Amino acid sequence: GAVVSQHPSRVICKSGTSVKIECRSLDFQATTMFWYRQFPKKSLMLMATSNEGSKATYEQGVEKDKFLINHASLTLSTLTVTSAHPEDSSFYICSAREPPSIGANVLTFGAGSRLTVL
Amino acid sequence: AQKVTQAQTEISVVEKEDVTLDCVYETRDTTYYLFWYKQPPSGELVFLIRRNSFDEQNEISGRYSWNFQKSTSSFNFTITASQVVDSAVYFCALSDGGTGGFKTIFGAGTRLFVKA
Repeated sequence: GAVVSQHPSRVICKSGTSVKIECRSLDFQATTMFWYRQFPKKSLMLMATSNEGSKATYEQGVEKDKFLINHASLTLSTLTVTSAHPEDSSFYICSAREPPSIGANVLTFGAGSRLTVL
Repeated sequence: AQKVTQAQTEISVVEKEDVTLDCVYETRDTTYYLFWYKQPPSGELVFLIRRNSFDEQNEISGRYSWNFQKSTSSFNFTITASQVVDSAVYFCALSDGGTGGFKTIFGAGTRLFVKA
């Protein structure tokens, strides 16, 4: 089946630094990827839709200057948390929509990236 | 607006018991998709099932079964003869049929504890 690789799985950084998280579709092309954020024991909150070759579409309340999303190729989307602060600490999960041949609208998720900002 | 409600925050059962996880959704779309995902302690989400709005057939896969009822906007998930390995958080999710860019929203999740 479709595989999405997310890296790094864990990252600890100092307040004020920027952190980049990569999301790759390994065996299929993903024109659209989605970034979610999950607080401890909470649900997944959709942050933005990443579109290959165009600007990301952010959900209401998500700061686009804080969470920079780039989808430079059909297999790679990146999320950069800029000037990270402790409140940005969270579990970030990317997903890609599988090709229609596999199942309409089924999302394959990366393993997630746990960000801790000190 | 679309919404998914999982009213059960946590459920605790003893191994071999049957358990049903409830999911109620709201949407104005006529074409939409419903999903169940499992999130074990490792954190990665695992796809379990997809249903489109035109297919109300119930489905059984091993110990798992799903009951989709459009009349009550529900898509419930039953685990038969539960096992300890079923312990996880289960999310019900809803995706629009394209009117909103196929965005998928998730319910709050139900944390299932299966005790040996």
